[in-house]
Amino acid sequence: QVYVHESGPRLVRPSDTLSLTCKVSVDSFKSYYWSWIRLSPGKGLEWIGYIYHTGSSKCNPSLKNRVTISIDTSRSQLSLALSSVTGTDTAVYYCARGPRGTYGEAMDHWGQGIQVTV
Amino acid sequence: QSALTQPASVSGSPGQSITISCTGTNSDIGGYDYVSWYQHLPGMAPRLIIFEVTNRPSGLSGRFSGSKSGNTASLTISGLQPEDEGDYYCGSYGSGTTWVFGGGTKLTVL
Repeated sequence: QVYVHESGPRLVRPSDTLSLTCKVSVDSFKSYYWSWIRLSPGKGLEWIGYIYHTGSSKCNPSLKNRVTISIDTSRSQLSLALSSVTGTDTAVYYCARGPRGTYGEAMDHWGQGIQVTV
Repeated sequence: QSALTQPASVSGSPGQSITISCTGTNSDIGGYDYVSWYQHLPGMAPRLIIFEVTNRPSGLSGRFSGSKSGNTASLTISGLQPEDEGDYYCGSYGSGTTWVFGGGTKLTVL
């Protein structure tokens, strides 16, 4: 059973930094890549970036240099920081297992998501 | 605007089949066999239903199937059931080591 849970402030002021945490409950946390993805009204899903337990990460170029993804393997959790937010960053933010997991380049386990409003 | 283009909505009656299209470019769908589909039911976490264009995760119903032709991928749901009603999203690996998704399609079971 894979348990993925996002948490953090649900309201962020414009120009501030959005900070979220994803707690994962799975023995093989270190064996997988973990992604942040968001769902915006009228825009659909957008991949934000991924991280591996080594700290290796990659982010969506469209978000330029505003994204930082970090990992704490001792706590089986990852974090997202998105700086200089505007109203276009209002979305439901998801944490998901993948890519490069059991099912190739797909994201195979998702959290319930957290609604963040700027 | 989403990277991949999906119809906003589709509908069908119980027992019927429906197909949802997902159009991309040579840099994503057309260039790789890494198309995935996700089901998002109200109040639930999104769920992977198709990976690598045609494959189903273990335990998933055979009513879901995927295909691809050129830059367009498709998801077919056969034997529609009321519990299939929800949003469906396509996704694909893209050049430059990125992942792109569609805007989502709302499925209504009449």
